[in-house]
Amino acid sequence: QQQVKQSPQSLIVQKGGISIINCAYENTAFDYFPWYQQFPGKGPALLIAIRPDVSEKKEGRFTISFNKSAKQFSLHIMDSQPGDSATYFCAASRASGGSYIPTFGRGTSLIVHP
Amino acid sequence: DSGVTQTPKHLITATGQRVTLRCSPRSGDLSVYWYQQSLDQGLQFLIHYYNGEERAKGNILERFSAQQFPDLHSELNLSSLELGDSALYFCASSGLAGGNEQYFGPGTRLTVT
Repeated sequence: QQQVKQSPQSLIVQKGGISIINCAYENTAFDYFPWYQQFPGKGPALLIAIRPDVSEKKEGRFTISFNKSAKQFSLHIMDSQPGDSATYFCAASRASGGSYIPTFGRGTSLIVHP
Repeated sequence: DSGVTQTPKHLITATGQRVTLRCSPRSGDLSVYWYQQSLDQGLQFLIHYYNGEERAKGNILERFSAQQFPDLHSELNLSSLELGDSALYFCASSGLAGGNEQYFGPGTRLTVT
């Protein structure tokens, strides 16, 4: 059972364009929604995260939009740069017995052409 | 650099063998999470330790086990290895037991032949 669905699987954007990656979740108990960026040969790195009491969070060129009623959230990368080319994972987490266990989407491979 | 270290970087072994992967969390972090990343399963949570105690288990096979030592480093032991165990194994550390900000290490690439 895939609890977090991520789309698209791959995305090609021109430099300066907007990259949009979408995720949908099923379990309403999730209360923390991070996005990770992973470069080849590296571990995932926390990029930005949001809690469901906020509809939008912006950090630099990265923005998370959150729609609690639709159980959807998305990552927007403004003014996309070739250095943003990486795989992006959304996740949904909830506390369980003192642990915060994330369920990850399957990832989106982003290529930004110069 | 996340401050989390993992060794070895690469590991090639044969089916049926046993290996140990090592993780050192960021300075001061008490929580260590282990994950498996494969093409068919994606990124999957395996197990969580906090200050030496097991706190949560995910999709971890019975052939796999882990522990966290008094100096807070953790080891993931994989035994009776199968071809399907070939994957990237990541650990992540967090400052709190239920800490939701997790910092991933560079991973260990395991190849079972």
